[in-house]
Amino acid sequence: EPEVTQTPSHQVTQMGQEVILRCVPISNHLYFYWYRQILGQKVEFLVSFYNNEISEKSEIFDDQFSVERPDGSNFTLKIRSTKLEDSAMYFCASSRQKNTEAFFGQGTRLTVV
Amino acid sequence: AQSVTQLGSHVSVSEGALVLLRCNYSSSVPPYLFWYVQYPNQGLQLLLKYTSAATLVKGINGFEAEFKKSETSFHLTKPSAHMSDAAEYFCAVSDLGNQGGKLIFGQGTELSVKP
Repeated sequence: EPEVTQTPSHQVTQMGQEVILRCVPISNHLYFYWYRQILGQKVEFLVSFYNNEISEKSEIFDDQFSVERPDGSNFTLKIRSTKLEDSAMYFCASSRQKNTEAFFGQGTRLTVV
Repeated sequence: AQSVTQLGSHVSVSEGALVLLRCNYSSSVPPYLFWYVQYPNQGLQLLLKYTSAATLVKGINGFEAEFKKSETSFHLTKPSAHMSDAAEYFCAVSDLGNQGGKLIFGQGTELSVKP
């Protein structure tokens, strides 16, 4: 069964460093998303991506964040200069169409020290 | 603006008992509603979805949910809890007003199942 895969599963980085979180969405899906979940809190939307551009982003997704689909299969989230409060589980998701179910990856746990 | 409220951050039931997890939504247009389950250290797995067809929706693992427009609710039920149902459950809403089809999640309900 097709699935969304994310790498790495866990990343530890020093404050101020850049990190890139990687995702391979399901191959015939057209919509891609990043969400995050701070420990003990709810899942929050960060950004949606369609047709090679951002279709919507949340207030959390400030200038420190960027997304890219560099090669037609990978979908990446870059955080330019990490802060302690960026520590969270980051989930990538994809869906075939808008408003259909999204399929989630296993997540990347980012720890900023 | 859309929102989701899950009543009860933690629900505990005995094995074999009815499971009822509550979800109320707010949406200015007809919503699409979803329940996801998250097992420890795993991602989110879709349990079931409502997309304007039948109001009673059946999902995986014996779960079902009923869309009630008058009550703006989409409660999740299972007639008989199993130990393996212990997990975190998230209700989510989306609608055609979203530019990119994002999901808005509730706070989550942790389900514990006692033997």
